[in-house]
Amino acid sequence: TQLLEQSPQFLSIQEGENLTVYCNSSSVFSSLQWYRQEPGEGPVLLVTVVTGGEVKKLKRLTFQFGDARKDSSLHITAAQPGDTGLYLCADGGKLIFGQGTELSVKP
Amino acid sequence: DTAVSQTPKYLVTQMGNDKSIKCEQNLGHDTMYWYKQDSKKFLKIMFSYNNKELIINETVPNRFSPKSPDKAHLNLHINSLELGDSAVYFCASSQETGGAGYTFGSGTRLTVV
Repeated sequence: TQLLEQSPQFLSIQEGENLTVYCNSSSVFSSLQWYRQEPGEGPVLLVTVVTGGEVKKLKRLTFQFGDARKDSSLHITAAQPGDTGLYLCADGGKLIFGQGTELSVKP
Repeated sequence: DTAVSQTPKYLVTQMGNDKSIKCEQNLGHDTMYWYKQDSKKFLKIMFSYNNKELIINETVPNRFSPKSPDKAHLNLHINSLELGDSAVYFCASSQETGGAGYTFGSGTRLTVV
């Protein structure tokens, strides 16, 4: 069974700081997805990547997919309080989610 | 015009009761899902269903059963509720296999007392 491990589990930073969170898989991703979940809501898809080495940008968020397609990172530049939430990586083709990184950005 | 809507938002019930959670999607997606999110925020697939196939996670007790009256609806029925069933249940939908991503509902927080 594929396992997705995310780190760190918790992260608390000040507004304006940069941060990186990680997602590592025990086997090759079929389709890597990142989601953000806010309290009381369902996860919202941020990005899907399928090609090893691919880099995608979404405003201040940069998603990197490892060459071997077994790991990924999410980098946020100049974090804002609105970035607060639970960040989940997933293998969309296999319906498997990581346990998430809970990010808190304080003003 | 919510894409995936589920009701109720909150459900408090006693052990042993039978309850249902409803889900509807207006995206025209082919496949719908039920996920369970536990107290540690871990999301686990329970069922995936399209008009051809129901796939059941083998760890899901048979007290849980999905019911789909049509392509846009997938309800979750739970018999003989137990304390351990307390969690947040999410409905989701996707085109085909979900490789392009899932659209989630806002969740139903089930509390069994």
